[in-house]
Amino acid sequence: QKEVEQDPGPLSVPEGAIVSLNCTYSNSAFQYFMWYRQYSRKGPELLMYTYSSGNKEDGRFTAQVDKSSKYISLFIRDSQPSDSATYLCAIRGGSYIPTFGRGTSLIVHP
Amino acid sequence: GAGVSQSPSNKVTEKGKDVELRCDPISGHTALYWYRQSLGQGLEFLIYFQGNSAPDKSGLPSDRFSAERTGGSVSTLTIQRTQQEDSAVYLCASSSPQVFTYEQYFGPGTRLTVT
Repeated sequence: QKEVEQDPGPLSVPEGAIVSLNCTYSNSAFQYFMWYRQYSRKGPELLMYTYSSGNKEDGRFTAQVDKSSKYISLFIRDSQPSDSATYLCAIRGGSYIPTFGRGTSLIVHP
Repeated sequence: GAGVSQSPSNKVTEKGKDVELRCDPISGHTALYWYRQSLGQGLEFLIYFQGNSAPDKSGLPSDRFSAERTGGSVSTLTIQRTQQEDSAVYLCASSSPQVFTYEQYFGPGTRLTVT
C-alpha cells in the first residue's frame, strides 16, 4: 500500500460545477497537508496548505482534513475551464520531504 | 523575482549515454529537491539538499544517479549509462526554512527521453 493514495482520474465536469478531489494516507504521523496544481508541461505550484484537521478556505478553494479517517479533500466551487490541470496532494510529517499522491487530472469543459 | 530555472527543457539521449540536468534555485533558498515524474505517476523524491548538511540521497533509484550542489546554489543531477526506464520529467524545487509552510517552488522540469 502506498503511503498516499489518489485517484488519477481523469475527472471531467461542466463549468460551474463543484469539484471534489481526495487523497487518503496511511501514516498517522503526517501533520502537514498540501495541494499543488500542475498545468501541462509546467512545474507544480502550491495551492493550499493546512496543518490541522478542519477546513481552510481561500476564494473558490476549500481544503479539508480529517485526521481520524486519514482523508483529505480539496473542493473547488464554481469551477472554470482555467481550473483544468492536475491536482496533487502532498503530505509530510516532521521531515521536510513531502510524499506526493499520483495527482488527479481535472477537465472543466465550457 | 526569478523563479526556479532548469536546463535543458528537453533532452533526448541514446541508451547508455550520460546526461547532466541543471537546476538554478531561487536566490536565498537553502533547501533544494530533485523529483522524477513519470507518465501517470506522482512525484518520486530523488534527493534533498539543505544548506551545508549532507544530502538526503534516500530516493535515488540506483548508483547510476548522483547529484551535487555547488556553493549552496546551483545543482546538477547526473544520470550515468541511461536506460529507457529513466525517461521522465525531472523536476527541481527549492524552499526556504524561514517560511513556516516550507513551501516548495518548482521549476518547469527537464523532459528526458532515452531512445
